[in-house]
Amino acid sequence: NAGVTQTPKFRVLKTGQSMTLLCAQDMNHEYMYWYRQDPGMGLRLIHYSVGEGTTAKGEVPDGYNVSRLKKQNFLLGLESAAPSQTSVYFCASSYSRDNSYNEQFFGPGTRLTVL
Amino acid sequence: DQQVKQNSPSLSVQEGRISILNCDYTNSMFDYFLWYKKYPAEGPTFLISISSIKDKNEDGRFTVFLNKSAKHLSLHIVPSQPGDSAVYFCAAAIGTSYGKLTFGQGTILTVHP
Repeated sequence: NAGVTQTPKFRVLKTGQSMTLLCAQDMNHEYMYWYRQDPGMGLRLIHYSVGEGTTAKGEVPDGYNVSRLKKQNFLLGLESAAPSQTSVYFCASSYSRDNSYNEQFFGPGTRLTVL
Repeated sequence: DQQVKQNSPSLSVQEGRISILNCDYTNSMFDYFLWYKKYPAEGPTFLISISSIKDKNEDGRFTVFLNKSAKHLSLHIVPSQPGDSAVYFCAAAIGTSYGKLTFGQGTILTVHP
């Protein structure tokens, strides 16, 4: 049981390049999330998904796209990377249960640098 | 507009003493609050939570207190241990919002032996 895994762990891009970050979970969770963490700002939600084939915008969605073609995978894409997207990216997943809140399980993060 | 704030960037405590981490929020719609712990080069891990219908929740050495009228919560760690040294994030959620979390900026806790 690997939990939440993220690929790659590190990446350096040049401005304008594109890339896709992959998140996978083996806990059969319905909900998945992408966050970015920047110094002094905590984690901010980029996009999230409440089920296979569905996605929605979070707090800071501009410059990112996402897809959830399979329940266990959530992809984050950068079409044209900018230096402002230099950050650490975390994926998370959780169950959805009625009438209760369920904690999110986080992956180890991807450190992205855009030059 | 920071809806969840942790105003202390860092806290230093002696081993065996109490650590108190604070968090304030502005959105009265939040009805669930969580604390996450994060070690360097790892993802955050869930520590403890509290729903807005309670004012205290305990789990071993960790206790979270919620003061709804003041829109304030705190995490108490007693006794503190060197292994508790990490970044602690406060987070809040609205129960009907698909689990989306709003995080504070984090507090770096250092526990000295």
